[in-house]
Amino acid sequence: AQKVTQAQTEISVVEKEDVTLDCVYETRDTTYYLFWYKQPPSGELVFLIRRNSFDEQNEISGRYSWNFQKSTSSFNFTITASQVVDSAVYFCALMTDRGSTLGRLYFGRGTQLTVWP
Amino acid sequence: NAGVTQTPKFQVLKTGQSMTLQCAQDMNHNSMYWYRQDPGMGLRLIYYSASEGTTDKGEVPNGYNVSRLNKREFSLRLESAAPSQTSVYFCASSESFWREHYEQYFGPGTRLTVT
Repeated sequence: AQKVTQAQTEISVVEKEDVTLDCVYETRDTTYYLFWYKQPPSGELVFLIRRNSFDEQNEISGRYSWNFQKSTSSFNFTITASQVVDSAVYFCALMTDRGSTLGRLYFGRGTQLTVWP
Repeated sequence: NAGVTQTPKFQVLKTGQSMTLQCAQDMNHNSMYWYRQDPGMGLRLIYYSASEGTTDKGEVPNGYNVSRLNKREFSLRLESAAPSQTSVYFCASSESFWREHYEQYFGPGTRLTVT
């Protein structure tokens, strides 16, 4: 079975602090894909990143960085020097290559990040 | 280029009423999806369409039907609404169901309340 766990329900930080959002996944498939989405207060979901299971390189995009570790089945997301505009719910999601569930995104329950000025 | 659009944005139904949620995408994507989002539950897949002419059940299909009208449009129908279907519904699309084009792009959502 596929499962994504985001143990942090809510996180509050003050602007300019660094914050890491945790994501732990479960799958028996050897090929899979991990995603992060952002849902700001306006409600839409915004795609942030996709990572393939065979590519363990970390990724940095501006203030955002992602740490993928297969050994611990984790795909954590760090925001450096957080800003008020980063306040949102962040979802981690998993997709596997298995035939019967191909193309299905399995979402975690999300982490509400609040950045205070 | 509007991306994924959904109508309506808000809807209130009485138990037993029916309605159709509309979704359209202008990105020439092959695959389309319907999700529901409930508080504290993340998003759960209701139905999806890997390509025009095909539809399949997702994780929570009971009480819903879908129609892939053409490549652009994918509708979700509630035949007899129940309070348990109160939720926010998201439509999404992706370029392809197959390798290397998995990112799904989401519409703005429809907030549905069933009383």
